[in-house]
Amino acid sequence: AQSVAQPEDQVNVAEGNPLTVKCTYSVSGNPYLFWYVQYPNRGLQFLLKYITGDNLVKGSYGFEAEFNKSQTSFHLKKPSALVSDSALYFCAVDGGSQGNLIFGKGTKLSVKP
Amino acid sequence: NAGVTQTPKFQVLKTGQSMTLQCAQDMNHNSMYWYRQDPGMGLRLIYYSASEGTTDKGEVPNGYNVSRLNKREFSLRLESAAPSQTSVYFCASSLYLLNTEAFFGQGTRLTVV
Repeated sequence: AQSVAQPEDQVNVAEGNPLTVKCTYSVSGNPYLFWYVQYPNRGLQFLLKYITGDNLVKGSYGFEAEFNKSQTSFHLKKPSALVSDSALYFCAVDGGSQGNLIFGKGTKLSVKP
Repeated sequence: NAGVTQTPKFQVLKTGQSMTLQCAQDMNHNSMYWYRQDPGMGLRLIYYSASEGTTDKGEVPNGYNVSRLNKREFSLRLESAAPSQTSVYFCASSLYLLNTEAFFGQGTRLTVV
């Protein structure tokens, strides 16, 4: 079965510093991977996805993610964090026969001024 | 362009009561989903509809029923609410079932007392 894991419940970063939110996956077949962001009391918003091609995927709000097949990882990155990036971030994998997206448990990102 | 619209936004039910959560999308998407979000558990798929006229169980379907009324609308019904169904419910839609990003509604916060 497809699954994703987000090993960190929370990531704390100072504004202006680079940030990384980690995600590892387990799939049978080709992985189709996604990142979503959830701001307080809102639904999830799509950030970016990896289907095929370049291992570095660029997305919304200056975020990017690096696909690493050998490490089965899809870490979310941003060169310079903003306080407004503080939110809950979810990694997801295409569920195949399980139907649409399988989500990780989420990582809370806190960016301090 | 409203995207995905869910109603109601908040609801309090007594144990044993029934209710229907409504969802509509205006993006001409084929696939629609209902998720529940609980602290520390991420999002879990309740039911999904790959296309108009079809519905399938997700990870946690017990206690719920769904209806894909037409291409735009996908409702979730709780026949006899239980405290374990206290959660935040999200409806989502995507162009296709696989390999495409989902768009989420703003959620329904349901409390069962």
